[in-house]
Amino acid sequence: SQQGEEDPQALSIQEGENATMNCSYKTSINNLQWYRQNSGRGLVHLILIRSNEREKHSGRLRVTLDTSKKSSSLLITASRAADTASYFCATEADMRFGAGTRLTVKP
Amino acid sequence: GAVVSQHPSWVICKSGTSVKIECRSLDFQATTMFWYRQFPKQSLMLMATSNEGSKATYEQGVEKDKFLINHASLTLSTLTVTSAHPEDSSFYICSARVYRGPNTEAFFGQGTRLTVV
Repeated sequence: SQQGEEDPQALSIQEGENATMNCSYKTSINNLQWYRQNSGRGLVHLILIRSNEREKHSGRLRVTLDTSKKSSSLLITASRAADTASYFCATEADMRFGAGTRLTVKP
Repeated sequence: GAVVSQHPSWVICKSGTSVKIECRSLDFQATTMFWYRQFPKQSLMLMATSNEGSKATYEQGVEKDKFLINHASLTLSTLTVTSAHPEDSSFYICSARVYRGPNTEAFFGQGTRLTVV
């Protein structure tokens, strides 16, 4: 079974809006990582959040982690058309992926 | 971040032939590498976990005799698709795990698009 499960599976927004996607996992973790994949490409590592962190920022990205709920969220602020991609989460304990969230940002 | 190089980026082969895909960690040593397969508009499916110097651990349903994985060094893992058939056509991606202090992170190669004709 997949460790990281993302939702929603698809999200379509206008440029400038914020995009929020969620990830749930099953087991205890040391850290959780978010990745982006453009169509037909490999995955790009976006951000890592450790189990003792609740929130982390990187540019327009904000990641939260709730270990009690075994969930994480990725917020992309002021989205751009170039943010159009699929987004995945994975834990260091289990490198299986869920379906991902396909984000479409319309110009 | 750490760099993982995957080669080739695309390959076309005839049915019945074998194809080898390489995954290299360029600036770090990777004791563990992962191999994935991805069909269009679908997620990555973990095929196997490869540990340096030992046999790979294959996911359920993945034929180990068909998808040969070798991880002979700390910077190189290879996936060989043996006797390829059109249904093996897919996007194959590797990732390598790096230890950073108490944490591990995984970085991905660019992927290899395999087309079997």
